[in-house]
Amino acid sequence: DGGITQSPKYLFRKEGQNVTLSCEQNLNHDAMYWYRQDPGQGLRLIYYSQIVNDFQKGDIAEGYSVSREKKESFPLTVTSAQKNPTAFYLCASSMKGGNQPQHFGDGTRLSIL
Amino acid sequence: DQQVKQNSPSLSVQEGRISILNCDYTNSMFDYFLWYKKYPAEGPTFLISISSIKDKNEDGRFTVFLNKSAKHLSLHIVPSQPGDSAVYFCAASASSNYKLTFGKGTLLTVNP
Repeated sequence: DGGITQSPKYLFRKEGQNVTLSCEQNLNHDAMYWYRQDPGQGLRLIYYSQIVNDFQKGDIAEGYSVSREKKESFPLTVTSAQKNPTAFYLCASSMKGGNQPQHFGDGTRLSIL
Repeated sequence: DQQVKQNSPSLSVQEGRISILNCDYTNSMFDYFLWYKKYPAEGPTFLISISSIKDKNEDGRFTVFLNKSAKHLSLHIVPSQPGDSAVYFCAASASSNYKLTFGKGTLLTVNP
């Protein structure tokens, strides 16, 4: 089945640690995205990538880093510089070009121990 | 500054009746609008979209209406079913870029 896979579903981090969230898609989509959702809030864009080896900051990129070495993969690292990392993280992908719906994975919930 | 607003945090309707979810936007550059449905602890599921060249788009029980002059769109679900109970997000983008801007969502509860 084509889709977007995020792993793990739940992740715990100690203060001061970096942690990497995985996102893989087999939809052959060019563009990939990372969002963060907090309780009672909409989705806020962290980073996005339109093509391999290129990515742009979204609205809340501070404390996060990404890489896009392969078309299928767009991992997100939550660094120790992120002051409030506890949230639900969602990865999405879409076809190239404007006016394309984004399709989402099932998310990773990150909690601080 | 919230560019996409869903002013009703929640909505409750009876099974079989119409559900109407509303969304307002402020950015005149937005020309593509989407609705997503989300269950707890899952990712949003794309429902339906509309571009600014249209004022209506229909897909089964779901219809989206766009009023560009009012910068307002709505999602109609007819007839509503208990399985429709979820949080619905409105989102918008400008075709000049890939970014989606989301509203905060409306929790729809369909009562049997």
